[in-house]
Amino acid sequence: EVHLLESGGGLAHPGGSLGLSCGASGFSFSDDAMTWVRQAPGEGLEWVSTINHNGKITFYADSVKGRFTISRDNSKNTVYLQMYSLRAEDTALYYCARQGSSGMDWGQGTLVTVSS
Amino acid sequence: DIVMTQSPDSLAVSLGGRATINCKSSQSVLYSSNNKNYLVWYQHKPGQPPKKLISWASIRESWVPDRFSGSGSGTDFTLTISSLQPEDVAVYYCQQYYTTPWTFGQGTKVDIK
Repeated sequence: EVHLLESGGGLAHPGGSLGLSCGASGFSFSDDAMTWVRQAPGEGLEWVSTINHNGKITFYADSVKGRFTISRDNSKNTVYLQMYSLRAEDTALYYCARQGSSGMDWGQGTLVTVSS
Repeated sequence: DIVMTQSPDSLAVSLGGRATINCKSSQSVLYSSNNKNYLVWYQHKPGQPPKKLISWASIRESWVPDRFSGSGSGTDFTLTISSLQPEDVAVYYCQQYYTTPWTFGQGTKVDIK
């Protein structure tokens, strides 16, 4: 069974930075792409970023391009999302997901709040 | 970007009644080389992460009761709950994974009338 556990959420000031981690188990981590998706309060789901299985190819939503960096460490079964230049509109519940060939399996999420 | 549009935004159905959710993509998500639609449905309950319900537009996950069905191809898709149960109250999202950026519909909230 796929198990994903996010950590690192919390309060950040506008313009600040925050780093999220997601530990994975229950599947062959190094074989799968990984994705971050967020949900702002009262809003729907927004794809944020995806990294391929070996970390060499990354994709970003326009809303975070140049500010967020996704990476992974296959030796630690962990994917990361480093967030810089945070804005109020980045406030959301951030989900880590295993990007399978037929959709995503999701973690529980970690809350990021950007406020002064 | 492929825009995913769901309708309705919300609906309330009697217990045992039929719920139908539509999802329309701004361009086809049917990959011609394998004849597969890169369209997934998720069920999202409050306080829980979304769960994959149906993949490839019509293939139920193993945990999903057969009252749930997905249909459609190309740009028009439908999620049907044939006999609504209390545990089906949730927000349902369609998502395309044909091309990045992966995009979601805005969600459809399903309640009991």
